[in-house]
Amino acid sequence: SQKIEQNSEALNIQEGKTATLTCNYTNYSPAYLQWYRQDPGRGPVFLLLIRENEKEKRKERLKVTFDTTLKQSLFHITASQPADSATYLCATDDYKLSFGAGTTVTVRA
Amino acid sequence: EAGVAQSPRYKIIEKRQSVAFWCNPISGHATLYWYQQILGQGPKLLIQFQNNGVVDDSQLPKDRFSAERLKGVDSTLKIQPAKLEDSAVYLCASSTDGLAGFYEQFFGPGTRLTVL
Repeated sequence: SQKIEQNSEALNIQEGKTATLTCNYTNYSPAYLQWYRQDPGRGPVFLLLIRENEKEKRKERLKVTFDTTLKQSLFHITASQPADSATYLCATDDYKLSFGAGTTVTVRA
Repeated sequence: EAGVAQSPRYKIIEKRQSVAFWCNPISGHATLYWYQQILGQGPKLLIQFQNNGVVDDSQLPKDRFSAERLKGVDSTLKIQPAKLEDSAVYLCASSTDGLAGFYEQFFGPGTRLTVL
């Protein structure tokens, strides 16, 4: 089955800077790669999906890239705000979602 | 639109006891999922229902876990007997469909289970 690896260390950044999170997968390229946001005490919320034939996807201040050669997706939060503080999960979709452990982002005002 | 409802929100039990969790998905959603999220890990799919049929329960520890969705709407997940390693958040999610292609999953707030 697919193994998903995300930055294990928490990311602590200054407001206004760009946060970059990494998601690596070990086996075959998934048809979709998804990113979720999870706040403490709440379930994950879907943010973005990128397909294997797409290089980049944007949604407001979020940008996701997908490099099937490197077996990696990068998730960027530009012009970060304290409200962006949360854990971000990446997941691959090979007939069922397999999640990484997530990366916790804290944005300092 | 109301979201996915789960109850209880918190449960503390002793090992070897039984516990049940309830989930009510978004109205009209055919697919319902139960996930286990251990602290510091991502959610792991336990079971997926399509209406009242099981699509995938390959990661459900069937010797102690059971789940049902009798009328194709709400669902219960039961653990009997509980072990210490079952301490986790149990998340329920639903989607309009889930058999092929992408369908956004909507998650409930979860039930935090502590087994002492």
